Amino acid sequence: AQSVAQPEDQVNVAEGNPLTVKCTYSVSGNPYLFWYVQYPNRGLQFLLKYITGDNLVKGSYGFEAEFNKSQTSFHLKKPSALVSDSALYFCAVRDIYSGGYQKVTFGTGTKLQVIP
Amino acid sequence: GAVVSQHPSRVICKSGTSVKIECRSLDFQATTMFWYRQFPKKSLMLMATSNEGSKATYEQGVEKDKFLINHASLTLSTLTVTSAHPEDSSFYICSASSLAGDNNEQFFGPGTRLTVL
Repeated sequence: AQSVAQPEDQVNVAEGNPLTVKCTYSVSGNPYLFWYVQYPNRGLQFLLKYITGDNLVKGSYGFEAEFNKSQTSFHLKKPSALVSDSALYFCAVRDIYSGGYQKVTFGTGTKLQVIP
Repeated sequence: GAVVSQHPSRVICKSGTSVKIECRSLDFQATTMFWYRQFPKKSLMLMATSNEGSKATYEQGVEKDKFLINHASLTLSTLTVTSAHPEDSSFYICSASSLAGDNNEQFFGPGTRLTVL
């Protein structure tokens, strides 16, 4: 069964500093990996995804993520954090089964707090 | 990107009543819709997957008779919480996927906050 781990419940970073939100995954086949952001009482907003291709994926709002197959990681990064980046971040892995049935498994989420 | 809406965004009801939540794909045909439940400070839990015109597939531990899911058209799925109780209070999020296009990507709705008194 596929799984995703986000080892940090919360990450604090000063505004202007680089940020990293960690994610590791476990899948049986090729990984389809995603990052989503959630603001309070809102749904999930898509940030970026990795399916194939370059290991460094660029996404919305200046975020990027690096796929590392040997470490089975997909850490989210941003060179310079903004206060408005403060939110809940979810890593997710998707598996597609026969007949097109798909299931997305989410990590437990990491709360990012950017300190002014 | 594709847009998914949910209605209502927030609902408060009395214990024992039923509540219906709608999920609509506004600019694409959603062959598959997913319903998630999110507890405070917790991750999303997949409740069920519904394909248009067929019965929903429920995840283990989710009561089918409690959470009725209907996916009658390619743009609309509904989740009905029957005989709601305070423990059903939660944030419910739907997502929609089309077989066409970008590797079956899921698009998420804004969520519905259910409070059962």
